[in-house]
Parts: sequence; structure tokens; C-alpha cells
Amino acid sequence: AQSVTQLGSHVSVSEGALVLLRCNYSSSVPPYLFWYVQYPNQGLQLLLKYTSAATLVKGINGFEAEFKKSETSFHLTKPSAHMSDAAEYFCAVSDATGNQFYFGTGTSLTVIP
Amino acid sequence: DGGITQSPKYLFRKEGQNVTLSCEQNLNHDAMYWYRQDPGQGLRLIYYSQIVNDFQKGDIAEGYSVSREKKESFPLTVTSAQKNPTAFYLCASSTSGGRQPQHFGDGTRLSIL
Repeated sequence: AQSVTQLGSHVSVSEGALVLLRCNYSSSVPPYLFWYVQYPNQGLQLLLKYTSAATLVKGINGFEAEFKKSETSFHLTKPSAHMSDAAEYFCAVSDATGNQFYFGTGTSLTVIP
Repeated sequence: DGGITQSPKYLFRKEGQNVTLSCEQNLNHDAMYWYRQDPGQGLRLIYYSQIVNDFQKGDIAEGYSVSREKKESFPLTVTSAQKNPTAFYLCASSTSGGRQPQHFGDGTRLSIL
């Protein structure tokens, strides 16, 4: 069985500061991993995904995530937060077939001016 | 532009009433999904369909029903058997098989009167 755990349901950062959103996975086989973003009253948008190629994955809007097998982690980072980054972020895990796909519980990011 | 259209944006249900949420896509995607989103619980899969005239139960299908008579349409009915229907409902689609969603609609917020 696969699952993801997002540590911290709420994260606040100052504008211009580093953004770090944590995601740890539990999987018996090498997983595929995803980050999605959701702006208020909207659907989700795929930020980036890891599918067993390069361990450092670059996504849209300046975000990136690094797959660390030894730590079973896939944390999302952005060097400098912008006010427009305020949103809900979801980590998700899948097996290679896509037949098992699960979302984490989400992390709400607040950016303080 | 291609995308997913969900309607209505807000919906109110009386006790004992069935309601149907609309989801239409013009992306020519084979797979479509319905998710329920509750605060602090992330997204949970209700039903999904990988091809016309076929669909499978997700993780929380009880109290819901779907149909897939056309490739572009995947309506969700919330029946009176669903005792706690208040939630944000998201429709999604994908070109790939399995359960991985790629594109999302902007959601329907359902409330009980």
C-alpha cells in the first residue's frame, strides 16, 4: 500500500523567504510522486512530478522538489516566496501503473508581506 | 482553450433530495474522475471512468452514482443515501490510464439546506 504524509497543515513564510513544504512517502515499490497546487475555490494544477528519472525535478512557477530515497521524502521548495504563491499544496503518490494514486492531506501556505 | 467545466459552482440540497453535478471536458481525454474534498482530509476518489460506458468505484463511492454515456461528460449524482454530502466536489480528466488525474475543473460546492 502507498501513502504520503505532509508534515504541517499550515506553513507561513515572509515574502522573499525560502519556501519548504514537506512530503514523506510510504511505498513498498519505487513510487511516482507529484505536487499539485490549489488556489482558493479552484481545481488543482500539477506543479511537478517525479517518475524515476532525475531526482531533482523542476516545475512551474519556480518550484522544485528532490526525491530522496534514503529519507523517503519529496519536499517542495522555492528559493523566494511571492505573494501569489499563497495556496494549498498537495503531495501525491502513485505506483508505476497509476492504478494506485493517493493524495496527501495538504499544506496551506501563507505568504506574509 | 480546452478544459473542464463544472456546473453549477454552488449547489444547495434539501434533505432526502438527489442532486446531479455536471462535468464536461473538451480535452478529448479518455479518463475522468470525481473527487470529494473536505478540510484537512485532502482529496478522496469517489468514482472514475477510463472509457465510455464503463466506470469503477473509488474509495468513497457509497451514496454516489455516475454515468459515462459520452466521452466528454461524466455527471455525478449525490443521492439521499449520502448522509454527509456537504463538501467541495472536483472533476478531473487524464490521457493516461489508472487513477492519476491531470486536469481539474474549478469545482462545485454542495451544501445542505
